[in-house]
Amino acid sequence: QDLLVESGGGVVQPGRSLTLSCAASRFTFKIYGMYWVRQSPGKGLEWLAYISFDGRLKNYAESVRGRFTISRDNSKGTLHLQMNSLRADDSALYYCAKRLDSDYAMDVWGQGTTVIVSS
Amino acid sequence: EVVLTQSPGTLSLSPGERVTLSCRASQSVSSNYLAWYQRKPGQAPRLLIYAASNRATGIPDRFSGSGSGTDFTLTIRRLEPEDFAVYYCQHYGASPPITFGGGTQVEIK
Repeated sequence: QDLLVESGGGVVQPGRSLTLSCAASRFTFKIYGMYWVRQSPGKGLEWLAYISFDGRLKNYAESVRGRFTISRDNSKGTLHLQMNSLRADDSALYYCAKRLDSDYAMDVWGQGTTVIVSS
Repeated sequence: EVVLTQSPGTLSLSPGERVTLSCRASQSVSSNYLAWYQRKPGQAPRLLIYAASNRATGIPDRFSGSGSGTDFTLTIRRLEPEDFAVYYCQHYGASPPITFGGGTQVEIK
């Protein structure tokens, strides 16, 4: 069964940076687009970023454009989210997700990694 | 941006009942790029339905999706104990942004 495992979460001060990683296994990572999605406490799901299978296409939500950068290393089967200028409202559970091969839906999700932005 | 409105916010039901969840889009959803996810406490979201009516791999046939344009529905034919969860609809596609509805919680009556 396809597997995604996020890491890199933690407590960080406002204005600082943090990089999340997502390790993929049990599927051919390099042929799938990938997403980052988050859920803040008491709120719904929010899409953050998308990267195509080859890394050439990247899309961002308005709330993180210019602050967050999505990237991938197909040789290592890893996805990353570099987060700069973090704010309190970036505190959330962050998920990586895999794009369904025949569609743009998200068919595999990791368990998430928690980011808390606090002084 | 497509805004998705889910209703009702909460449903209190008993096992065995039929459930119909609604998701209304602020504008027509192209190519029926509409998905449904199930979220249980402490677990990652699980894809149930994509392209409005296609069941994802391994999803029981008691789950079905329908609709087009701006009105979409997720139906659970007979609620099982493991179906009590929060359900989200999602608009996606080749052009961002991807948006989620606010969710409908299905709770045990």
